[in-house]
Amino acid sequence: QKEVEQNSGPLSVPEGAIASLNCTYSDRGSQSFFWYRQYSGKSPELIMSIYSNGDKEDGRFTAQLNKASQYVSLLIRDSQPSDSATYLCAVSDSGGYQKVTFGTGTKLQVIP
Amino acid sequence: EAGVTQFPSHSVIEKGQTVTLRCDPISGHDNLYWYRRVMGKEIKFLLHFVKESKQDESGMPNNRFLAERTGGTYSTLKVQPAELEDSGVYFCASAERLNTGELFFGEGSRLTVL
Repeated sequence: QKEVEQNSGPLSVPEGAIASLNCTYSDRGSQSFFWYRQYSGKSPELIMSIYSNGDKEDGRFTAQLNKASQYVSLLIRDSQPSDSATYLCAVSDSGGYQKVTFGTGTKLQVIP
Repeated sequence: EAGVTQFPSHSVIEKGQTVTLRCDPISGHDNLYWYRRVMGKEIKFLLHFVKESKQDESGMPNNRFLAERTGGTYSTLKVQPAELEDSGVYFCASAERLNTGELFFGEGSRLTVL
């Protein structure tokens, strides 16, 4: 079983719609959860972090965490073509040395 | 402020040759990480330096890989001798603090072993 699982996509949504990206993780000891965005040929960039159950909103982005279900999601409201990228779910354990484990990423395509 | 820089951006070598990848982290970042992405797979952790010390090298595939960070500044990752399965993109990332999870990535060094 992969440590962090994501649907590779592509996930296609029309401009202005809500894009919903999902991720599950296997290690119940995981404490910190992140979403990175990676444009083609570029480096991953952190866009959201979440540490406790519930929702965390930042502009058009909302991260949701459910530790009981070992599930993390990212919602992008009012999707724009510039949001088209691969979104990487990442998880860190509580070991204190910040070993971050990544999923394979979901490719999002926002259709104008 | 300069970001994480990696060199070379792309290297093509033959099986059995040696390649050295270099990473310059963001100035002042004590934490430096190497990750690797093989085609179609996830970005996998290789190792973590805190200053010049190897904090965690559990992801290093085998003893053909040697990472160094002399002086706690830039880091090198040497592959010797390279094998076909070593092909992929090698990412370096740095972090100022351990508890935020914010890793700043370089744009990667693509290694192709023929």
